[in-house]
Amino acid sequence: GAGVSQSPRYKVAKRGQDVALRCDPISGHVSLFWYQQALGQGPEFLTYFQNEAQLDKSGLPSDRFFAERPEGSVSTLKIQRTQQEDSAVYLCASSLGWGARTDTDTQYFGPGTRLTVL
Amino acid sequence: SQQGEEDPQALSIQEGENATMNCSYKTSINNLQWYRQNSGRGLVHLILIRSNEREKHSGRLRVTLDTSKKSSSLLITASRAADTASYFCATDEVDSSYKLIFGSGTRLLVRP
Repeated sequence: GAGVSQSPRYKVAKRGQDVALRCDPISGHVSLFWYQQALGQGPEFLTYFQNEAQLDKSGLPSDRFFAERPEGSVSTLKIQRTQQEDSAVYLCASSLGWGARTDTDTQYFGPGTRLTVL
Repeated sequence: SQQGEEDPQALSIQEGENATMNCSYKTSINNLQWYRQNSGRGLVHLILIRSNEREKHSGRLRVTLDTSKKSSSLLITASRAADTASYFCATDEVDSSYKLIFGSGTRLLVRP
């Protein structure tokens, strides 16, 4: 079946612009995650949704970052007044369950959106 | 901040050779996972090992876990050019098992 999809795949923004990144999780997956991956580094956790509820947003770098999943399916990560340090790949992942304790809670990742802020 | 460190940062081997990557982490975990990332593509889940397991196999992959040393290793046997990718270990936190914490990765190059 279809995996996690993200759009756009590439985004170039001028400093100060707002951007919106979209994630379509695997159908029926309860949990949705956003990660930020800087060049040459591993992904870092940003936020976690269980259905439409945002249960953890501790990884969001600043109040310029906002995520939502209003109907418990598609999610949008919005970055306001982008800065150069926001340049990174933003990865979305979804899982059937709501933990990471068993194989059924494996997180499936999308291809990511590469954001470049000039 | 990242939980783990991978060693080596980069590895270049000949096709057919075995590749070993190591991962160390800092806090208590429920399980540890390994992911592969090809250039320009998303992360692909390879294998999960629980904290009460010491070794796990999947095809050409062998993972070990030593919770006393807070370390894990990933062995890829009989490597192929298609194995060229970055490999990341990821752990969870005992109190927030949904949150994956990734290491910095090992870049593996398998030469044909």
